Amino acid sequence: NAGVTQTPKFQVLKTGQSMTLQCAQDMNHNSMYWYRQDPGMGLRLIYYSASEGTTDKGEVPNGYNVSRLNKREFSLRLESAAPSQTSVYFCASSLEQGVSYEQYFGPGTRLTVT
Amino acid sequence: GNSVTQMEGPVTLSEEAFLTINCTYTATGYPSLFWYVQYPGEGLQLLLKATKADDKGSNKGFEATYRKETTSFHLEKGSVQVSDSAVYFCALSDLGNTGFQKLVFGTGTRLLVSP
Repeated sequence: NAGVTQTPKFQVLKTGQSMTLQCAQDMNHNSMYWYRQDPGMGLRLIYYSASEGTTDKGEVPNGYNVSRLNKREFSLRLESAAPSQTSVYFCASSLEQGVSYEQYFGPGTRLTVT
Repeated sequence: GNSVTQMEGPVTLSEEAFLTINCTYTATGYPSLFWYVQYPGEGLQLLLKATKADDKGSNKGFEATYRKETTSFHLEKGSVQVSDSAVYFCALSDLGNTGFQKLVFGTGTRLLVSP
């Protein structure tokens, strides 16, 4: 039982390049989330998927797209990376949507955009 | 919207010292409150939570009490260990106008415990 896995762990991009961050969970959870973590700002929600087949914007969705590929996988895509997207990205999942359900986090992807 | 304010770190302690990390919140309604911990190189893990006023959450020797009168949820531990060195995040629930119940995180407080 690996929990929540993310790939890659580290990535350096040039401005304007695109990339996809991958996330998978093996806990049969319905809800999945993407956060970014910036110094002095805590974690902010980018997008979430309450259940398979649905996705919705969080607090800071601009510049990102997501795909809920199936129940296990939830990917985050940067179409044209900008230096402001330099951050640590965390994927999380929970059994159902709602704070009664504990969120389980992956180890993160550290992204640098130059 | 709801928000969380945490004390700035780092908090530097010697092993077996008493720990307090302050957390206050601003919220409408009655949010649930959480402490998450992030060990070096890992994702966040739920440490404890409280869902209503005067509730005490506890886990691994850590405690926090939901204080509605002071809008606080301070984290305490009587005797810290080197292995407690991590970043601690206070968070609360926020029910947005779309009906989606999300977590709002504080900025995190780094704890460094020396032998």
